[in-house]
Amino acid sequence: QQPVQSPQAVILREGEDAVINCSSSKALYSVHWYRQKHGEAPVFLMILLKGGEQKGHEKISASFNEKKQQSSLYLTASQLSYSGTYFCGTANNFGNEKLTFGTGTRLTIIP
Amino acid sequence: DTAVSQTPKYLVTQMGNDKSIKCEQNLGHDTMYWYKQDSKKFLKIMFSYNNKELIINETVPNRFSPKSPDKAHLNLHINSLELGDSAVYFCASSLTTGGPIYGYTFGSGTRLTVV
Repeated sequence: QQPVQSPQAVILREGEDAVINCSSSKALYSVHWYRQKHGEAPVFLMILLKGGEQKGHEKISASFNEKKQQSSLYLTASQLSYSGTYFCGTANNFGNEKLTFGTGTRLTIIP
Repeated sequence: DTAVSQTPKYLVTQMGNDKSIKCEQNLGHDTMYWYKQDSKKFLKIMFSYNNKELIINETVPNRFSPKSPDKAHLNLHINSLELGDSAVYFCASSLTTGGPIYGYTFGSGTRLTVV
């Protein structure tokens, strides 16, 4: 079953903040976050491995709530370059378990 | 130096034809994948190979046959193409030693259009 992301789409002005949520119906081992710009390949942003783990990458950070089977991506003081579609990818088990990608969130930053 | 290279980038073909997509990675990763991205942007796994061994085979029609001659290469052959096969196909690779704890590197994608 595909993880569900919310919101489906969001439009922000430069400098505003955004939160993208990823919710799974299954227990999670790890959560990945990717950004895909139009016509390009998805690009890896970060991975979260443990419940409660938070990670940061410049002004983009994420958290992982293992109990709730959820992860959130936080974009602070958004820049035009943040525009794109964001995907979470979830792995349910240790081992060669496949990454199942979420439904995607389209983020548009306007000047 | 391209990390994951995929060819061709665009493929336009008629229904019923057979076509192949090639993928190569120079990252030393042990696992490679094929993902299909449809018009709604959903990314769905098709196949995965770990060190040349098929480990994931999702519910994909038999017309799709992957082949991995070595751990750096993964090809996808599609027989008797149908209109519904039109999509963007992404190759990806990852290091999976130690579990799913490393990110995926994607190729630039192959946009397949069946007419």
